[in-house]
Amino acid sequence: DGGITQSPKYLFRKEGQNVTLSCEQNLNHDAMYWYRQDPGQGLRLIYYSQIVNDFQKGDIAEGYSVSREKKESFPLTVTSAQKNPTAFYLCASSSGTGGYEQYFGPGTRLTVT
Amino acid sequence: QKEVEQNSGPLSVPEGAIASLNCTYSDRGSQSFFWYRQYSGKSPELIMFIYSNGDKEDGRFTAQLNKASQYVSLLIRDSQPSDSATYLCAATRGAGTALIFGKGTTLSVSS
Repeated sequence: DGGITQSPKYLFRKEGQNVTLSCEQNLNHDAMYWYRQDPGQGLRLIYYSQIVNDFQKGDIAEGYSVSREKKESFPLTVTSAQKNPTAFYLCASSSGTGGYEQYFGPGTRLTVT
Repeated sequence: QKEVEQNSGPLSVPEGAIASLNCTYSDRGSQSFFWYRQYSGKSPELIMFIYSNGDKEDGRFTAQLNKASQYVSLLIRDSQPSDSATYLCAATRGAGTALIFGKGTTLSVSS
């Protein structure tokens, strides 16, 4: 089955720890995205990548880092510098050429205490 | 700051009625527009996209785009209780691929 997978579904961390969220796609999409969603809010763009080995900051990149070493994978690291890391994190992908429709993974709910 | 604005609702309609969801956007350079449905606790699901002015129909859903007014709408005909969800409107950032999302409109369909 083609799709986007995110793991784990739920993640708990102590304040001050870095944590890496996984995102994998087998849709052969060029572009991948990370969003954050807080209760009652829309999606806010953290980082995106339109091609391997390249990525751009979104609206709220501070305290986050990414890498894009393979077309299929776009992991997000939430660092200890992120002041309010507790949120629902969503990864998406799009073909990147001729079609801008983004498809989402199931999300990772991160809780930091 | 580029924005996409939606009425948060809730929008309440009886089963079988037409639900009308609206969205405005500020970036005149936006090229493509999307409607996503999000059930509580789940990730967004793409239900419609529209690139050109006018109407686009897919089953019970019709998306409408008016670029001159910077206005996008989604009509859901014969609304069902299973349509109860939050609907997110999104627009491309200029001609690029990244999207700007509105905060969503909550739709409640009563049986």
